[in-house]
Amino acid sequence: SQQGEEDPQALSIQEGENATMNCSYKTSINNLQWYRQNSGRGLVHLILIRSNEREKHSGRLRVTLDTSKKSSSLLITASRAADTASYFCATDVRETSGSRLTFGEGTQLTVNP
Amino acid sequence: GAVVSQHPSWVICKSGTSVKIECRSLDFQATTMFWYRQFPKQSLMLMATSNEGSKATYEQGVEKDKFLINHASLTLSTLTVTSAHPEDSSFYICSARDRGPVGHGYTFGSGTRLTVV
Repeated sequence: SQQGEEDPQALSIQEGENATMNCSYKTSINNLQWYRQNSGRGLVHLILIRSNEREKHSGRLRVTLDTSKKSSSLLITASRAADTASYFCATDVRETSGSRLTFGEGTQLTVNP
Repeated sequence: GAVVSQHPSWVICKSGTSVKIECRSLDFQATTMFWYRQFPKQSLMLMATSNEGSKATYEQGVEKDKFLINHASLTLSTLTVTSAHPEDSSFYICSARDRGPVGHGYTFGSGTRLTVV
């Protein structure tokens, strides 16, 4: 079953603005990852944050993780039209059979030129 | 880096026929592979986990007799959609657990768009 819930489900902004997406999860995690998916295409891994990290940066991306609240956020700064895509958080959870990746519901981001 | 090759990238088949989707890990051994299904405008739902040389573990609600998974070698896992129906039309993505030192743990195939007519 899906573990992650994301909000907003859809976000529309103007080029140059910042976009913030949030993700909540239910169980303890090894790490949390963010992916991007352009319409009808495969997944692109964006960034991974480990359970003992609180914040991570990669280019225009900033990810935070609050394990006490079981939540994470992805901030895209100075957005571009090319950032238009669906963004998913995914939690890496260790189970008795091994770890697995479970995806959130996703946020559809539209960046208007 | 680790690469998973998934084929075909798209397939159209007639209702009642079977379709096989392949995922190959090209430069690493994948002891575990995951199969996801994604309907339009929805998230990826894990269908099953396959381990090399053993039976796949299916998620609740996924019919094992309909979605046959074979993981016969450390580099190849296949998903066969048997007696496909229009409601099986979806985007199927495989993922291999990657234990490389630099990777993020999972490498995804590029997906297969299945359309059943």
